[in-house]
Amino acid sequence: GAGVSQSPSNKVTEKGKDVELRCDPISGHTALYWYRQSLGQGLEFLIYFQGNSAPDKSGLPSDRFSAERTGGSVSTLTIQRTQQEDSAVYLCASRVAGGPYNEQFFGPGTRLTVL
Amino acid sequence: KQEVTQIPAALSVPEGENLVLNCSFTDSAIYNLQWFRQDPGKGLTSLLLIQSSQREQTSGRLNASLDKSSGRSTLYIAASQPGDSATYLCAVTLITQGGSEKLVFGKGTKLTVNP
Repeated sequence: GAGVSQSPSNKVTEKGKDVELRCDPISGHTALYWYRQSLGQGLEFLIYFQGNSAPDKSGLPSDRFSAERTGGSVSTLTIQRTQQEDSAVYLCASRVAGGPYNEQFFGPGTRLTVL
Repeated sequence: KQEVTQIPAALSVPEGENLVLNCSFTDSAIYNLQWFRQDPGKGLTSLLLIQSSQREQTSGRLNASLDKSSGRSTLYIAASQPGDSATYLCAVTLITQGGSEKLVFGKGTKLTVNP
């Protein structure tokens, strides 16, 4: 596709359930990022993938959060035993190789609501 | 710790007015600075990217400046239109503790342009 796509666009779940959020980056982009946008908190970095290197997980808020990137393309963010404070919009971004001088392109996000 | 601040938090102007949005950051060790636009319920659209070695970038009615030494950027919008109504986010790219890079965002300025 032409841009970063994410699915689902909206997800409502019950507290304690596990959820999986998917990101399809722009074809050929080697770097992939996950961010979270919470009400009143702004956008915060969660995790970064670059090619086949080990991901930078320094932004994950707890061990209930994990992410994978298969085949250097699609990424899945998994939240286990969801809590109400996990409610937020989860945004994925990708960029071309060449380092941080290149801009990141964002997907439309997944709005997660934990009841 | 890098902090990004945007002032004002909200701005309402009549159509046709020129306006300036402000962004400040506490650590000048950045790779670049990006201005984004976010419409309600949507993802982020990149407007302008200024590398740390640059002073300004222009696209159409938008002009962004960067003064890295003082930790400031401005986004100038000329001849504002109702379609410019959105939240404008400023973000800087910097190195994480894990050795990768991430965007650090301000909380945004919500702009309303009244017809």
